Amino acid sequence: AQTVTQSQPEMSVQEAETVTLSCTYDTSESDYYLFWYKQPPSRQMILVIRQEAYKQQNATENRFSVNFQKAAKSFSLKISDSQLGDAAMYFCAYLEGGSEKLVFGKGTKLTVNP
Amino acid sequence: DTGVSQNPRHKITKRGQNVTFRCDPISEHNRLYWYRQTLGQGPEFLTYFQNEAQLEKSRLLSDRFSAERPKGSFSTLEIQRTEQGDSAMYLCASSMRGGLSSYNEQFFGPGTRLTVL
Repeated sequence: AQTVTQSQPEMSVQEAETVTLSCTYDTSESDYYLFWYKQPPSRQMILVIRQEAYKQQNATENRFSVNFQKAAKSFSLKISDSQLGDAAMYFCAYLEGGSEKLVFGKGTKLTVNP
Repeated sequence: DTGVSQNPRHKITKRGQNVTFRCDPISEHNRLYWYRQTLGQGPEFLTYFQNEAQLEKSRLLSDRFSAERPKGSFSTLEIQRTEQGDSAMYLCASSMRGGLSSYNEQFFGPGTRLTVL
């Protein structure tokens, strides 16, 4: 079974600084997708960024970018110019191609200090 | 607001009681998912529907759990004879199956937080 591991239960960053959240996954499949979701306190989870496994280029969305290392099965999220509104739980998730079942890690709680 | 909605947002019940949650997906979405999130964990997949057909169920979905989507629109998740271990956030998501992509983004609702006393 596929697993997703987030080894950092909590992280903190100063406003305007850069922070990197780590994620590793385990799969024997070649067709899959990886995601980072943000879950603010008492609010719904939203998709931050996604990466298709077949794409070598790392995905970017404004201040958010990923470092996708397929051979190492690593998928880290970099948040640049951190803002107070970035404070949330961040979940790394995996989806096998053709499947509908997202597999989530345990999450990393990000605190942004003013 | 045209996002996924869930009701109630909070439910407190006593052990042994039955509870039912409702999820209204984004209107044109034909796929609907249920996940369970316990404290300190990421969401875990429970089941999903395409239109009114329930296509996959997790082993987490014991016999006390039943989900329906009778007309392919809203869905209900019922838990019978609740146990303290059922205390969790129950998340609903929806997506639109179709197009050339093999991936369909799942949009999440705010969840229903269940507390079993």
